Amino acid sequence: EDQVTQSPEALRLQEGESSSLNCSYTVSGLRGLFWYRQDPGKGPEFLFTLYSAGEEKEKERLKATLTKKESFLHITAPKPEDSATYLCAVQAASGGSYIPTFGRGTSLIVHP
Amino acid sequence: KAGVTQTPRYLIKTRGQQVTLSCSPISGHRSVSWYQQTPGQGLQFLFEYFSETQRNKGNFPGRFSGRQFSNSRSEMNVSTLELGDSALYLCASSSGQDTGELFFGEGSRLTVL
Repeated sequence: EDQVTQSPEALRLQEGESSSLNCSYTVSGLRGLFWYRQDPGKGPEFLFTLYSAGEEKEKERLKATLTKKESFLHITAPKPEDSATYLCAVQAASGGSYIPTFGRGTSLIVHP
Repeated sequence: KAGVTQTPRYLIKTRGQQVTLSCSPISGHRSVSWYQQTPGQGLQFLFEYFSETQRNKGNFPGRFSGRQFSNSRSEMNVSTLELGDSALYLCASSSGQDTGELFFGEGSRLTVL
């Protein structure tokens, strides 16, 4: 069974204080790993897809990296508008179902 | 390009009632998935429809059902509501080409009293 564990559950940062969110996964062959951002009361918004170990993707202050067992979402010099819950999901390459399995997310609060 | 539209956004029901939620996917997207989100369980997959056929189903009881119409719009129904059904129900659309890149609506917040 595919498993996704995100840590920490919650993270409070001061504006400008860089940090990383972790997503550990267990999957029978990784087809893709996805990062989403979810604001309160809204649906998740797609951020990145990573396909293979060593791959990196960047978007503004966010950079996602991937190893064979985990992914990191690095947030550089965060701003209050980066406050949100960040969700990680994995998609298995085998087994027939390509439905992503989601982690429970990391709630990030950035204080001004 | 319009996003995924879900209606209603908020609703309150009592135990034993039933509810129908609606989802209009992004134009051209043929796959629609439904998820239940609660603070305790996170995002849990309900089912996925593609071209009016249910392709995948999660581990939810038969009280949860869905369907997709020829225009790709989808509905989900929950019968005999229980208190534990209170949640945010999210619809997501995709091009259907086995992609994990989902486009979510803002959700329907269901409260069961």
